[in-house]
Amino acid sequence: SQQGEEDPQALSIQEGENATMNCSYKTSINNLQWYRQNSGRGLVHLILIRSNEREKHSGRLRVTLDTSKKSSSLLITASRAADTASYFCATAGVLQGAQKLVFGQGTRLTINP
Amino acid sequence: SAVISQKPSRDICQRGTSLTIQCQVDSQVTMMFWYRQQPGQSLTLIATANQGSEATYESGFVIDKFPISRPNLTFSTLTVSNMSPEDSSIYLCSVINTFEQYFGPGTRLTVT
Repeated sequence: SQQGEEDPQALSIQEGENATMNCSYKTSINNLQWYRQNSGRGLVHLILIRSNEREKHSGRLRVTLDTSKKSSSLLITASRAADTASYFCATAGVLQGAQKLVFGQGTRLTINP
Repeated sequence: SAVISQKPSRDICQRGTSLTIQCQVDSQVTMMFWYRQQPGQSLTLIATANQGSEATYESGFVIDKFPISRPNLTFSTLTVSNMSPEDSSIYLCSVINTFEQYFGPGTRLTVT
C-alpha cells in the first residue's frame, strides 16, 4: 500500500510555538500534498511538493521531502489558534494514466492560546 | 485552483433509503473523484468519474451501492443507496488542476 502514515496522531502546543508533523509512505510517488481540515469540514489544499523537490515554502508553512527515506514533514512556524485543525498528507501516484491520492491518517493539531 | 460546491451540505436519512449528492465545479475538468471520510478517519477514494464513461470504483466499493453520474465536465452526482448506519460519513468530491487536488466542502450524512 502507498498509504501515508502520520506522526504524531495528535499534537498540542502553545500559540507562537512551531508545530512539526511527519508523514511516511511506502512506494514511489509523483508528488505529495498536505491538506488542512477544520472540524470535519472540507479539505483545504496547503502545498504540493514534487518528487524531485526537497523543500518548499508557503507563508508560515515549510514542507520537506526525503524520497530516500520516503518521508515528508510539515512545519508550521509561529502557530496561531486558527491553525487548530487536522492535517493530512496525501501521496500521489499514477495508475493507468490517472493521478490517485492516498491519504494518511492525519495529525490533529491543537494550538492553545 | 477550483471552486467546488456540494449539495446538500448535510442530511439525516432513514435506513434503507437513498441520497444523491451533487457536486458542481466552476471550471471544466476531465476527472472528478468521490471520497468518503468515516467519523474520525482519513479519506478513502470511492471512485473516479470521467465524463462520458462509467466510473471506476476502488476495491470495496460497487456501482450498485454508489452509482455515479457524470453528465458533463462540471457536474457529477454520487448516490448512496439502501443506506445503513455504517454509511454515516462525510462524502467529498474532488478535482485535479495541474496535479493539485481540490476538495468540495463535503456532505455530512447521518443514517438513523
